[in-house]
Amino acid sequence: KNEVEQSPQNLTAQEGEFITINCSYSVGISALHWLQQHPGGGIVSLFMLSSGKKKHGRLIATINIQEKHSSLHITASHPRDSAVYICAARDTDKLIFGTGTRLQVFP
Amino acid sequence: GAGVSQSPRYKVTKRGQDVALRCDPISGHVSLYWYRQALGQGPEFLTYFNYEAQQDKSGLPNDRFSAERPEGSISTLTIQRTEQRDSAMYRCASSLEQKGSPLHFGNGTRLTVT
Repeated sequence: KNEVEQSPQNLTAQEGEFITINCSYSVGISALHWLQQHPGGGIVSLFMLSSGKKKHGRLIATINIQEKHSSLHITASHPRDSAVYICAARDTDKLIFGTGTRLQVFP
Repeated sequence: GAGVSQSPRYKVTKRGQDVALRCDPISGHVSLYWYRQALGQGPEFLTYFNYEAQQDKSGLPNDRFSAERPEGSISTLTIQRTEQRDSAMYRCASSLEQKGSPLHFGNGTRLTVT
């Protein structure tokens, strides 16, 4: 069992749909990161969470420390949101990556 | 520079050769991570530095892999006697501090071992 697990692995959606990607972890963390990787390969940090909820535009990230679970939500999804979304758990010395969720949003 | 810089962008080497990959983090960033990503796979943690101290190297696949960050800034990941299975995108990320700062990612070095 991976220390950081994401679901679903693949997700397709129609433009405008509400998207949820889940991340569960089994390790103690100092922070949880949500990352976006586009087909060209570059990785962008979307959120860093240690508690609660953060919002940036159409993106919302939540974390429940007690349940060791985080979610990334995309409201009013758009084709340009198509990418691989990766959660990464950061403990003191290590960064543990989830396997990623490949999202495709169709017009 | 403004971001995390990695060099070279692409490296093609023959099996058995040694390679050195460089990561130049954002100035002042304390934490530096190396990880790699094979084609179609998720990232895999390799090692972590806090300043010049290598705090965790549990992700290094075997003893052909080593990393250093002698002055707490630029880091070098060295792979000795490369094998085809070492082919991957090698990336580094840095952050201002250990716990509470966002990560900034380099564009990576694409290593191909022939």
